[in-house]
Amino acid sequence: QVQLVESGGGVVQPGRSLRLSCAASGFSFSNYGMHWVRQAPGKGLEWVAVISYDGSNKYYADSVKGRFTISRDNSKNTLYLQMNSLRAEDTGVFYCAKSFNGGYYSRYDYWGQGTLLTVSS
Amino acid sequence: DIVMTQSPDSLAVSLGERATINCKSSQNILYSSTNKNYLTWYQHKPGQPPKLLIYWASTRESGVPDRFSGSGSGTDFTLTISSLQAEDVAVYYCQQYYNIPHTFGQGTKLEIK
Repeated sequence: QVQLVESGGGVVQPGRSLRLSCAASGFSFSNYGMHWVRQAPGKGLEWVAVISYDGSNKYYADSVKGRFTISRDNSKNTLYLQMNSLRAEDTGVFYCAKSFNGGYYSRYDYWGQGTLLTVSS
Repeated sequence: DIVMTQSPDSLAVSLGERATINCKSSQNILYSSTNKNYLTWYQHKPGQPPKLLIYWASTRESGVPDRFSGSGSGTDFTLTISSLQAEDVAVYYCQQYYNIPHTFGQGTKLEIK
């Protein structure tokens, strides 16, 4: 069955960096687009970034553009989110989600359980 | 960016009664060449990841109970739960995937009256 397991969250000081990972199993990872979505405490869902099945195309929310980088290693079935220059407002639960197809104009049919990032001094 | 606006923000419905949540997009999200509305509905319970309920505005995901239905086209959409069950208590989000960024509505919190 499809499994997405995020890791790498934790407590980090403002201005520092952190990398999240999402380990995928149960499907042909290299055939599907992947997304990161976050939820700040007490807030709604916010789309963060997407990467195409082969990593050739990447798009970001304006709130993270220039600070976050989405990437993938299809040989390791793993999705990443490198987060630099972290701010307090980046605090929240980060979910990885699988696109139904190889691109990004599709529904998210599976989600991970999420990993919590806290940015605080 | 396409702005998604849900109404109401919260809703209390008696068990067995109908619940209706509305979602309005700031731009048309019906893609003319496919005649599909690029809209999904997700159910989100505390401590769990969001769950896909409806895609293409009205297609129920496999395994989703048939009391959940989606309707609408263009810019106005509705999620209906025909007979509310206790396990339906959650926050519900609409999302458009017509354009990047894929924007979500602010969420509607559904409770039991």
